[in-house]
Amino acid sequence: AQTVTQSQPEMSVQEAETVTLSCTYDTSESDYYLFWYKQPPSRQMILVIRQEAYKQQNATENRFSVNFQKAAKSFSLKISDSQLGDAAMYFCAYRIAGGDDKIIFGKGTRLHILP
Amino acid sequence: ETGVTQSPTHLIKTRGQQVTLRCSSQSGHNTVSWYQQALGQGPQFIFQYYREEENGRGNFPPRFSGLQFPNYSSELNVNALELDDSALYLCASSGGWRAGANVLTFGAGSRLTVL
Repeated sequence: AQTVTQSQPEMSVQEAETVTLSCTYDTSESDYYLFWYKQPPSRQMILVIRQEAYKQQNATENRFSVNFQKAAKSFSLKISDSQLGDAAMYFCAYRIAGGDDKIIFGKGTRLHILP
Repeated sequence: ETGVTQSPTHLIKTRGQQVTLRCSSQSGHNTVSWYQQALGQGPQFIFQYYREEENGRGNFPPRFSGLQFPNYSSELNVNALELDDSALYLCASSGGWRAGANVLTFGAGSRLTVL
């Protein structure tokens, strides 16, 4: 069975600094996708970044980048130049390529931004 | 382009009652999935609907059922409510599997409290 583990329940970072959120996953599949979702107090789940497992190049989206280590089954999120609006719950998530819209989420990391 | 809308936003029920939650998918999306997010946890996949039929289900009992309508909107029904059903219920829509990962668009959820 596929699992996603986030070992940091909470983290804090000073505004404008850089923070890295950790995630490990377990799967026997070779073709899959990994995601980081953000859930602010408004509750709506927002896609931050995604990574296709077959791509070796790490995905980047503006201030957000990932460090994807396929052999180690590790998928960390780096947020550069942290802003107050980045404060939220962050969920690491996995889905197998093809098939249904089943996404497996980790338990989340609550990120606090200190002014 | 409208996003995913869910109703009601909050509701309170008592044990043994039945509840219906509603979801309007994003324009152009034909697939709807439902997730249950208990407090302090990541969302868990309940099921998915495509072309008005359930075509993927997570580890939830049969008292969780759903419908999809010709306009792709959807309902989640839960019978014989239990205290553990208290959670945020998220609806997500997607445009079906094409090249690359489906991108799910989530609604803001319906917060269900069972007393």
